[in-house]
Amino acid sequence: NAGVTQTPKFRVLKTGQSMTLLCAQDMNHEYMYWYRQDPGMGLRLIHYSVGEGTTAKGEVPDGYNVSRLKKQNFLLGLESAAPSQTSVYFCASRKSPGLTQETQYFGPGTRLLVL
Amino acid sequence: AQSVTQPDIHITVSEGASLELRCNYSYGATPYLFWYVQSPGQGLQLLLKYFSGDTLVQGIKGFEAEFKRSQSSFNLRKPSVHWSDAAEYFCAVGARAGGTSYGKLTFGQGTILTVHP
Repeated sequence: NAGVTQTPKFRVLKTGQSMTLLCAQDMNHEYMYWYRQDPGMGLRLIHYSVGEGTTAKGEVPDGYNVSRLKKQNFLLGLESAAPSQTSVYFCASRKSPGLTQETQYFGPGTRLLVL
Repeated sequence: AQSVTQPDIHITVSEGASLELRCNYSYGATPYLFWYVQSPGQGLQLLLKYFSGDTLVQGIKGFEAEFKRSQSSFNLRKPSVHWSDAAEYFCAVGARAGGTSYGKLTFGQGTILTVHP
């Protein structure tokens, strides 16, 4: 049981390039989330998904797209990277939509540098 | 809208000293509150959580937190800090799952803890 995994761990992009970050969870969780972490700002929610085939916008969705084609995977895409997207990206998952007490489990993060 | 404030950006304590990290929240209903810890270069690990019941909750690594509704606070405490506690600590408030909130977490800005030997 690996929990929540993220690939890649680190990436350097040039402005305008595209990339996809992959989040995978093996806990059969329904809910998945993408956050970005910037110094002094905590974690901010980018997009989230409440189940396979569904996605929704979070607090800071501009410049990002997501897809959840399989329940265990949640992809975050940057179509045209900008320096403002330099950040650490965290994925999280949560078990059940019906239980308010459920904890979010976090992946180890992906560090992205956009030059 | 829910929000979380951690007033202290950086705290330094000596090893063996007591610790209190402050967290204030704003939420329209009964909050679900969490403390996470992040070691350098690592992901977030849950320390403890409060949903209901006893307002003093115990967590891992000897941490505890007290929910005070009248003060809208959920401060994290530890009686004796160890050097390995040096990390960044995040307080978060969770929205009720279902409806339009989908269990989203709102995080505070984080408090960096430095421990001197």
